[in-house]
Amino acid sequence: QSVLTQPPSVSAAPGQKVTISCSGSSSNIGNNYVSWYQQLPGTAPKLLIYDNNKRPSGIPDRFSGSKSGTSATLGITGLQTGDEADYYCGTWDRSLSAVVFGGGTKLTVL
Amino acid sequence: QLQLQESGPGLVKPAETLSLTCTVSGDSINSNYYYWGWIRQPPGKGLEWIGSIFYSGTSYYNPSFKSRVTMSVDTSKIQFSLKLSSVTAADTAIYYCVRCFWSTYEALIMDVWGQGTTVTVSS
Repeated sequence: QSVLTQPPSVSAAPGQKVTISCSGSSSNIGNNYVSWYQQLPGTAPKLLIYDNNKRPSGIPDRFSGSKSGTSATLGITGLQTGDEADYYCGTWDRSLSAVVFGGGTKLTVL
Repeated sequence: QLQLQESGPGLVKPAETLSLTCTVSGDSINSNYYYWGWIRQPPGKGLEWIGSIFYSGTSYYNPSFKSRVTMSVDTSKIQFSLKLSSVTAADTAIYYCVRCFWSTYEALIMDVWGQGTTVTVSS
């Protein structure tokens, strides 16, 4: 059971937009900043978004992040088949004194 | 370009100690900005943070592992290590070494990942 809650799967057609939610509590998302990681099949995760909405160098602006209250959202526009991956949200949990992750969301581009 | 490479036994017996090393190339491990850490992923499951350590030895461990985990940094070898004691089958996972930093807003960010190494706990 993950501390942060994500939908197990989402899907959308190429070129469309999709959003992935991440729900937490006041001890984590509510009082801290969220990161998102992309894990392509058979590879290591990669940092996609940090501090809620910042993109590391090299990450296209098709990827965006936002946060409201105890929930965060990853948005992906102009979907490509290469975006098919597992996406994880993560943040610091003040009660646990640990980095916590969501269970991951599998994105299928139909 | 920074690269991280995990190494260590792929098979560990129950109750023994899992030992992994991560070799850093392309950058200094003595950075005043970056931490070095470990994250694991059990088969078919999500990510679990184990802990992170600064080159000086300052460390943060996940309380779920705290009594079993030890991390260290060897600046002369440009490596950092993980030891997890008293392992069980539940410790079977892909183990990733990572570079971390504390963002402006005090969030611990994992910005560079190794390719991962699979560790199986079995007799």
